[in-house]
Amino acid sequence: DTEVTQTPKHLVMGMTNKKSLKCEQHMGHRAMYWYKQKAKKPPELMFVYSYEKLSINESVPSRFSPECPNSSLLNLHLHALQPEDSALYLCASSLPGAGQGTEAFFGQGTRLTVV
Amino acid sequence: GIQVEQSPPDLILQEGANSTLRCNFSDSVNNLQWFHQNPWGQLINLFYIPSGTKQNGRLSATTVATERYSLLYISSSQTTDSGVYFCAVDNTDKLIFGTGTRLQVFP
Repeated sequence: DTEVTQTPKHLVMGMTNKKSLKCEQHMGHRAMYWYKQKAKKPPELMFVYSYEKLSINESVPSRFSPECPNSSLLNLHLHALQPEDSALYLCASSLPGAGQGTEAFFGQGTRLTVV
Repeated sequence: GIQVEQSPPDLILQEGANSTLRCNFSDSVNNLQWFHQNPWGQLINLFYIPSGTKQNGRLSATTVATERYSLLYISSSQTTDSGVYFCAVDNTDKLIFGTGTRLQVFP
């Protein structure tokens, strides 16, 4: 099974709302990622968790708050977003790279619209 | 940081044609993957190919790590091959995506 599951698939939220995106995998992967993809652009890395610890934050605004409660789950908490944050948010997982690089698998994404 | 460029940016084919997509990267990498992104946004794994050649049906890929490029070959293209093709490279535990090739296959 190489499945990464993201919920919800679609989300519309107001600029004053608080919402969360959820990502789950059961492949025993210990590295998990959040990416943001705007229309007609490649995915851009936001955060990397390795062994449930935040290892990379690509200077993401604090209105995006990641959380890794356990090795199978990754959340992205959203608060006070702006319309320009509307995008496809992708979660991925892999075995930890340890500098060697391993195959990453992606969820189907959450399409977020901020109104 | 590492730069990943893909060419061509856009490709229009008639069904049955063959094509070659290229991915150039600016530094040594630990990993290289090819993905197909369908119209619904799903990134589908095509190849995990840090070096060498692999084939899967009508698709094959070659990575020449020493020369910092990878090629994706699509033979006998079908309308279902339409979408965006990304290469992505792993450098210092970050998977960085290339600029993408948008492929349209017409019947």
